[in-house]
Amino acid sequence: KAGVTQTPRYLIKTRGQQVTLSCSPISGHRSVSWYQQTPGQGLQFLFEYFSETQRNKGNFPGRFSGRQFSNSRSEMNVSTLELGDSALYLCASGGTVETQYFGPGTRLLVL
Amino acid sequence: KNEVEQSPQNLTAQEGEFITINCSYSVGISALHWLQQHPGGGIVSLFMLSSGKKKHGRLIATINIQEKHSSLHITASHPRDSAVYICAVRSNTGNQFYFGTGTSLTVIP
Repeated sequence: KAGVTQTPRYLIKTRGQQVTLSCSPISGHRSVSWYQQTPGQGLQFLFEYFSETQRNKGNFPGRFSGRQFSNSRSEMNVSTLELGDSALYLCASGGTVETQYFGPGTRLLVL
Repeated sequence: KNEVEQSPQNLTAQEGEFITINCSYSVGISALHWLQQHPGGGIVSLFMLSSGKKKHGRLIATINIQEKHSSLHITASHPRDSAVYICAVRSNTGNQFYFGTGTSLTVIP
């Protein structure tokens, strides 16, 4: 079974731009969660989707949004990028409510 | 105040030593996870616990719900165990995930 895939793996943007990251979960998984990891804040929960519905949301500004498609693939979007948005963005898919399988991440650098 | 506290922050051990990493949390939880992150970023979910104890190979995870505390033990540590170990909890109100800051483990041959 293929694992969780994330694209792109690396991305460089400038302040004010917007970015869209993609996550394809393990086949059959219906839950996708997104996380941000920075050296200063560590891992932080962004949001969780299940069957195209946002089930939970972390404490991030409205510039961070996401969606899930009918094939369970998910995208997250960050608008009006700030320097502090530079981070590793991780996606995880769940076979059950609590089991999490992580993707390799997208490393975003905002200049 | 962080909802999840881990100790120690850094740990260096000789190969073969028994290792313990501790995690305390302050929120009510539905589950606790132990994650392993190797250099380069890849994260592997080691355990999900809601009570008691789980064992997988040389790894053992325990949780005490009343004391809001969990431990991850590594028996007969090996250099390939060198990684950052992260404790994460899913709260039972709001279903949020909270993460510890991680314990960086280095096992020396």
